[in-house]
Amino acid sequence: SQQGEEDPQALSIQEGENATMNCSYKTSINNLQWYRQNSGRGLVHLILIRSNEREKHSGRLRVTLDTSKKSSSLLITASRAADTASYFCATPTMDSSYKLIFGSGTRLLVRP
Amino acid sequence: EPEVTQTPSHQVTQMGQEVILRCVPISNHLYFYWYRQILGQKVEFLVSFYNNEISEKSEIFDDQFSVERPDGSNFTLKIRSTKLEDSAMYFCASTSFGVNEKLFFGSGTQLSVL
Repeated sequence: SQQGEEDPQALSIQEGENATMNCSYKTSINNLQWYRQNSGRGLVHLILIRSNEREKHSGRLRVTLDTSKKSSSLLITASRAADTASYFCATPTMDSSYKLIFGSGTRLLVRP
Repeated sequence: EPEVTQTPSHQVTQMGQEVILRCVPISNHLYFYWYRQILGQKVEFLVSFYNNEISEKSEIFDDQFSVERPDGSNFTLKIRSTKLEDSAMYFCASTSFGVNEKLFFGSGTQLSVL
């Protein structure tokens, strides 16, 4: 079953603008993670937010979590061309502590 | 920062052949994972491995797949008889404390089955 689904599927913005990506999930979670993937490369962990947290910051990244709506958002402020990548949310499922399930991702293009 | 290393970066094989994908997880990590990503699609969970045994596997991970940690440092994924639909990027990952902490991913092996 699908756990995390990102929205939008693709996003194109101008350098300097902010980019917001959303993730919805179905089951209860104890944390939600965001990863970045440059084209054809491995996944890099960006940020982890736990279920008792509502907001977390890391540099130009801001993540929010709303467990009542089962949704999270990733905001990248003052985007750069180097932010061009795919961004995935991922959640463990409550019925398993051994599996992290990834959403379908948002492809972000930052135009110089 | 320590890295997860995967070899080879590219593997081309004929349908029906066996392939072994190799991974060296971060040395003090205890949980190990294989994921795959068909071109342009989502990252799919295959299997997790802890305490020298499979802890969870997906429907994709059928009898044609196996994993092994033969020597305490390597973590391998074997596909016994490859099919065309096994063509994908395969990622290995590891972590110290399971999925409640971040996973460290390798850069992947691109498997092409002809």
